[in-house]
Amino acid sequence: DVKVTQSSRYLVKRTGEKVFLECVQDMDHENMFWYRQDPGLGLRLIYFSYDVKMKEKGDIPEGYSVSREKKERFSLILESASTNQTSMYLCASSLLTSGMYEQYFGPGTRLTVT
Amino acid sequence: KNQVEQSPQSLIILEGKNCTLQCNYTVSPFSNLRWYKQDTGRGPVSLTIMTFSENTKSNGRYTATLDADTKQSSLHITASQLSDSASYICVVTPDNYGQNFVFGPGTRLSVLP
Repeated sequence: DVKVTQSSRYLVKRTGEKVFLECVQDMDHENMFWYRQDPGLGLRLIYFSYDVKMKEKGDIPEGYSVSREKKERFSLILESASTNQTSMYLCASSLLTSGMYEQYFGPGTRLTVT
Repeated sequence: KNQVEQSPQSLIILEGKNCTLQCNYTVSPFSNLRWYKQDTGRGPVSLTIMTFSENTKSNGRYTATLDADTKQSSLHITASQLSDSASYICVVTPDNYGQNFVFGPGTRLSVLP
């Protein structure tokens, strides 16, 4: 079974703090993603990475950065947390199966910024 | 603009009953449509994937249908169980081999005993 793990299930940070969200996958997938999920909205893509040290902006990259130093690990960084970044953050990795990519999600990190 | 809409926003049914969730999309071009189940506090898990040439796909008590002409899909759950309580998310991919997933907002289903 594919396993995607995230470092924290719940996190509370203060405005202005630097926040690191870690994601690790154990299936040697090349592609990894960070999404945020807010009530009433679909998952929105923040950043994704096709390979080590490579990153691409998604739909809402402002206020975020990412790091991928190793294939299995993809980190999301909030340089200076703000209250509007309070959200559920989901990490995913993907594998090409039968001609289509399938994404596998981690359990999510619920971040509260006060 | 590529969009996926789902209805109803939430639904409450009694255990053992059937229900149908709806998905409408404006994504173009269209490659495939997926339904995910997301339990509270967990990440989404894939239930079904359909390409434009398929009009129905089953996974146990879950049956998804697709009408590519009207750009509508439905997820039918038969003989609901308490464990079906979750959010169900419709996801459309506009391009083959692509990973540009367009997510719907989800339908929150509650199954009561």
